[in-house]
Amino acid sequence: AQSVTQPDIHITVSEGASLELRCNYSYGATPYLFWYVQSPGQGLQLLLKYFSGDTLVQGIKGFEAEFKRSQSSFNLRKPSVHWSDAAEYFCAVGETGGFKTIFGAGTRLFVKA
Amino acid sequence: DTGVSQDPRHKITKRGQNVTFRCDPISEHNRLYWYRQTLGQGPEFLTYFQNEAQLEKSRLLSDRFSAERPKGSFSTLEIQRTEQGDSAMYLCASKAGLADPRSYNEQFFGPGTRLTVL
Repeated sequence: AQSVTQPDIHITVSEGASLELRCNYSYGATPYLFWYVQSPGQGLQLLLKYFSGDTLVQGIKGFEAEFKRSQSSFNLRKPSVHWSDAAEYFCAVGETGGFKTIFGAGTRLFVKA
Repeated sequence: DTGVSQDPRHKITKRGQNVTFRCDPISEHNRLYWYRQTLGQGPEFLTYFQNEAQLEKSRLLSDRFSAERPKGSFSTLEIQRTEQGDSAMYLCASKAGLADPRSYNEQFFGPGTRLTVL
C-alpha cells in the first residue's frame, strides 16, 4: 500500500538559515509527488510537484525538491528561510491514474529570529 | 474569488446532532474530493466525485457519513448522529479532469470546515 513518511514532527531553524524537510514514500510505480504548505486557518497550498523528467523541481516561494528513486525520497529544500515560512508542510503521493492522494503526517516548521 | 470555497468555516455541535457542510469547487473542475484532517495529522481521503458520480469511498466513511454532488457542481457532506471522534477539519478539494494534462492530479484545496463536537 502507498504510504508517506515525514520523519520530523517539527523543525526549528533560524531566519536566513537553510532548510531541508524529509519525505520518504512507498509506492509500487513511478509516483506523482507533491509538497503542500498549510498556514494556520488556511487550506493547503501546493508548493511544487514531480511527475517525471528532471528530478530537481522548482516551486513557489523559493522552494525546491529533489526526487531520488533509489532512496524513495522527495526532500524539500530552501536555501534561506524567512519568518513567513513558518507553517506546516505536507508531503504527498498521488496514485498514477488513480484518485487518491496520500499525505504524510506533516512537519511543523518554526522560524526563530 | 475563483478558488474552492467551503461553508461554514466553523461548526460547533452537540453529540448526536446532524451537521451538513458545503463545498463549491472551482467551476471548471469536474473532480471533487473530501478529506478529514485531525490534529497533528495530514489529510485523510474520505470520498471522490467525478461529476455527480461518487466513484470511491474510504473505509473511514462510516454509514453515518454521506456525501452528494447532485448536479456535478457543489457538494455536501452530512454527518448524522455526530460523535466526539468526528471533531476534525473537513477539507474539500477539486481538480480538472484528464482533458487538462497540466493540471493532472493537482488538487486545489478549500479553507476547510472545522467541526467541534461537544
